[in-house]
Amino acid sequence: GEDVEQSLFLSVREGDSSVINCTYTDSSSTYLYWYKQEPGAGLQLLTYIFSNMDMKQDQRLTVLLNKKDKHLSLRIADTQTGDSAIYFCAERISGGSYIPTFGRGTSLIVHP
Amino acid sequence: NAGVTQTPKFRVLKTGQSMTLLCAQDMNHEYMYWYRQDPGMGLRLIHYSVGEGTTAKGEVPDGYNVSRLKKQNFLLGLESAAPSQTSVYFCASSYLRGSGGASTDTQYFGPGTRLTVL
Repeated sequence: GEDVEQSLFLSVREGDSSVINCTYTDSSSTYLYWYKQEPGAGLQLLTYIFSNMDMKQDQRLTVLLNKKDKHLSLRIADTQTGDSAIYFCAERISGGSYIPTFGRGTSLIVHP
Repeated sequence: NAGVTQTPKFRVLKTGQSMTLLCAQDMNHEYMYWYRQDPGMGLRLIHYSVGEGTTAKGEVPDGYNVSRLKKQNFLLGLESAAPSQTSVYFCASSYLRGSGGASTDTQYFGPGTRLTVL
């Protein structure tokens, strides 16, 4: 079955890099997503990666995909206090029900 | 475009009362979803719809009913509220499967409804 795992908390100092990790179980995953949820708001898509890619970079964000280990990571360079939020990893299976499976979310706390 | 909107933003119910949460989207999306979010549990899918007039059960459907009479609206009903249904409810919508790559498969979320059942 589908299962997406994330650590629940990450605390970093402002200006440092943050790395949020995610593991998934289904090797047929086609699309992998990172969503950001700010306090009191809904989820917003941050970035995504296709399973035929190893890396994707978008400004301060770098997504790394290790298909062999079924491991996905999100690196935020020069982390700012505005990056404090919950980050959700999600996967969607190719040819499946189309419904994405979400991890439980990682709370990123950025302190001065 | 307003995107995905939810009504109401907050509600307090007594056990046994009923209510309906309204979700509306103006992006002409085929798929719509209702999730609940609880601390440490992440998002859990309650019900979803793949088009007007269709609904399907998600991971935690018990105690909820849904209707999709119009393409732009997805209603979530609680017939007899219980304290276990205290949660934050999120609606989301997305394009039809197969209409494009991941960028168009993206789910767009509403701001949420915070429900407390006493």
